[in-house]
Amino acid sequence: QIQLQQSGPGLVKPSQTLSLTCAVSGDNVANNSATWHWIRQSPSRGFEWLGRTYFRSKWYHDFADSVKGRLTANADTSKNQFSLQLSSVTPEDTAVYFCARGAMAAIYWYLDLWGRGTLVTVSS
Amino acid sequence: DIQMTQSPSSLSASVGDRVTITCRASQTISNHLNWYQHIPGKAPKVLIYAASTLQSGVPSRFSGSGSGTDFTLTISGLQREDFATYYCQQSYSTALTFGGGTKVEI
Repeated sequence: QIQLQQSGPGLVKPSQTLSLTCAVSGDNVANNSATWHWIRQSPSRGFEWLGRTYFRSKWYHDFADSVKGRLTANADTSKNQFSLQLSSVTPEDTAVYFCARGAMAAIYWYLDLWGRGTLVTVSS
Repeated sequence: DIQMTQSPSSLSASVGDRVTITCRASQTISNHLNWYQHIPGKAPKVLIYAASTLQSGVPSRFSGSGSGTDFTLTISGLQREDFATYYCQQSYSTALTFGGGTKVEI
């Protein structure tokens, strides 16, 4: 059974870096046909896509304009996981963070597998 | 970014009802439109992709239609386990965007 298991702290202080990891079981993070995403959900912004990581002979990363410059993403094939680091956090970054797998059918992309979410609160 | 607008934001329904949720994109997205079901505390679940293709394992009472900018999710014969929040999401652009959600309540 394919699963995404999220881990990371639930509380981060303002100005610090939020770090989350998503461990993949039942698939390979270096799968040439998948993409690996981070999405967050908050009452003020709803679901907000943050970025994606994927492997096509080399690693690629795309980020949302709203977090570009603060977001770093990478993948660790030895641990079969991918991760997110969001720097200089403020209370506005308080949200439930999800990781997800992007699957492709013909030319259509969709998020077919999600983690259960991690509530991250930014507070001193 | 492409803006996705859903309506209604919430609705009340009963078991057995037919429910329709609409989603409008701020620009044409062909049929690069997906629908998800979310129950708080659980992982979101894809129901429909490419506007009208039922994801494997999803009951046939769920259906989707539309193309361009206007899309619809229909639940024919609402079941108790369908009370949840539903979201549309476009995958036309790299920057995925979601609708604001429709909460289906008893």
